[in-house]
Amino acid sequence: ELKVEQNPLFLSMQEGKNYTIYCNYSTTSDRLYWYRQDPGKSLESLFVLLSNGAVKQEGRLMASLDTKARLSTLHITAAVHDLSATYFCAVDPGSLTASKLTFGTGTRLQVTL
Amino acid sequence: ETGVTQSPTHLIKTRGQQVTLRCSSQSGHNTVSWYQQALGQGPQFIFQYYREEENGRGNFPPRFSGLQFPNYSSELNVNALELDDSALYLCASSLAGYDTEAFFGQGTRLTVV
Repeated sequence: ELKVEQNPLFLSMQEGKNYTIYCNYSTTSDRLYWYRQDPGKSLESLFVLLSNGAVKQEGRLMASLDTKARLSTLHITAAVHDLSATYFCAVDPGSLTASKLTFGTGTRLQVTL
Repeated sequence: ETGVTQSPTHLIKTRGQQVTLRCSSQSGHNTVSWYQQALGQGPQFIFQYYREEENGRGNFPPRFSGLQFPNYSSELNVNALELDDSALYLCASSLAGYDTEAFFGQGTRLTVV
């Protein structure tokens, strides 16, 4: 059974600081996704990582994938309050149809002034 | 906006009742997956429909069932509702293929009393 673990579960950080969220998964996969969720809202797609060594950046967020280590990271640079949300990583075991995702527990990020 | 729409947005049901949730997939997408997200947790995969057939199921009992229609829209039916069924139900649509991505609807908040 595929298991996906994120840490930390909760992260309080000051504006302007850098931090990394880690996502470990238990079985071989080279498809990993990061989502953002605001309270009471749906999931917003942030990054799609489809190969070993993939690195993608959007604004203050950068995601990477190491399939050999079964590890993905989401790095936050110079955090701002608008980044406060819950972040999920999700792994697809490699089905033809995609979207059979196993999600991590989520990391609740709170950026304080 | 992802182009994936769900209805209704909120619903209150009594224990033992039955409920039907609906999802219209994004134009051109042939796959719909359903997820249950309990408060404070990550989404859990319920099942997926591809070309009107069930194509994978998570660890949910048979009282969770679904349909996909020729236009690729989908329904999730839950019989004999239990209090623990209270959750946000998310559908995701995608186009089958390796290099693909799932897009989520805004969700249906189900409360069972």
